[in-house]
Amino acid sequence: EVQLVESGGGLVQPGGSLRLSCAASGFTFSNNWMSWVRQAPGKGLEWVANIKQDGSEKYYVDSVKGRFIISRDNTMNSLYLHMNSLRAEDTAVYYCARIVAVTVSGLAHYGMDVWGQGTTVTVSS
Amino acid sequence: EIVLTQSPGTLSLSPGERATLSCWASQSVYSSSLAWYQQKPGQAPRLLIYGASSRATGIPDRFSGSGSGTDFTLTISRLEPEDFAVYYCQQYGGSPWTFGQGTKVEIK
Repeated sequence: EVQLVESGGGLVQPGGSLRLSCAASGFTFSNNWMSWVRQAPGKGLEWVANIKQDGSEKYYVDSVKGRFIISRDNTMNSLYLHMNSLRAEDTAVYYCARIVAVTVSGLAHYGMDVWGQGTTVTVSS
Repeated sequence: EIVLTQSPGTLSLSPGERATLSCWASQSVYSSSLAWYQQKPGQAPRLLIYGASSRATGIPDRFSGSGSGTDFTLTISRLEPEDFAVYYCQQYGGSPWTFGQGTKVEIK
């Protein structure tokens, strides 16, 4: 079964740090770009970061640049999100997601086709 | 940054009815690089459509997507009880990737 399982969420004080993990199984993890997406309580979805298959390319939403680092360990089939200088506005459920790439009429299209169940991060004093 | 605006915010319909959800982009979305997701309460999102009109694996054919440029539409031809949920559009044609604010489809 294709599966993603997040862990590492919890309550942290403003300015603190946290590392989220996402364990992948049931597919060849090293074949796919991966994403982190978050959802603040009662709000919509916000893309956070992407990482290429070999970790050589990383992209972030502006609000987390310089504070969050996405990384992966293909030998461990794991994705990570290192979160530093946390703020109250980072409070959210964090999902990891697999990015699937499909070629349509010669153009690459993407979708996040497998998601974890999410891990909750609460930033509060 | 491409801002996606979804309309309406809430759609109240009965099972069997047709649902039409709109997503407008603040600038043209490169090569129709737009996806649609469904999210039910307490669950992770589910990919429905990519490339504006291609259904993801296992998605019923009552779901269809259309559009290009700045105007996109998700249509559910006949609502089933399990289709009542929140739907998000998302563009991946420009950085950063962005989502719309969502449309809730509720039972009338």
